[in-house]
Amino acid sequence: DGGITQSPKYLFRKEGQNVTLSCEQNLNHDAMYWYRQDPGQGLRLIYYSQIVNDFQKGDIAEGYSVSREKKESFPLTVTSAQKNPTAFYLCASTISNTGELFFGEGSRLTVL
Amino acid sequence: AQSVTQLDSQVPVFEEAPVELRCNYSSSVSVYLFWYVQYPNQGLQLLLKYLSGSTLVKGINGFEAEFNKSQTSFHLRKPSVHISDTAEYFCAVSDIGNSGYSTLTFGKGTMLLVSP
Repeated sequence: DGGITQSPKYLFRKEGQNVTLSCEQNLNHDAMYWYRQDPGQGLRLIYYSQIVNDFQKGDIAEGYSVSREKKESFPLTVTSAQKNPTAFYLCASTISNTGELFFGEGSRLTVL
Repeated sequence: AQSVTQLDSQVPVFEEAPVELRCNYSSSVSVYLFWYVQYPNQGLQLLLKYLSGSTLVKGINGFEAEFNKSQTSFHLRKPSVHISDTAEYFCAVSDIGNSGYSTLTFGKGTMLLVSP
């Protein structure tokens, strides 16, 4: 079945460590997105990519980095510069220019 | 830039009662509108969308929403809720007419709590 796979589902890290979250899709979608979700805050856009080897900053890109070397993959690195990294991270993709997104199951990062 | 306001952070309701979750948006251009549902520790699932045409949109699980351009609203309704509808609901908007792929702007969510 086609879908979006995020891993790991749960991740614990010490403060000051970089962390990379994986997002893989087999839907043949061109565009991929990373959102951050905090309780009561909704979803906020971190980065998005419309095509391989190209990506744009979203509303809260500081402290994060991404790469898009393959169409299927869009990993997110949470760097030590991100002041409040503990959150639920959601990856999404689309083939539609309406903005309709398909989401992965999310990765919950806890920084101790 | 767009913005989305979900007026209620929590809506408690009894099983089999009707429910309305409110959503208002702000945008300087025409928009597409979406409602998503999220169960605990899961990703978001599309409930319904308004792209064009009839302003009353029907979605999955018996939900429907009405687009009201003059009031810039897109309220979600269900005539009779079930315990399994307990979840968080997000309203989202994107601009029409962007070249390339749009980005969605989300509201802060409404937690629907259905009790027996």
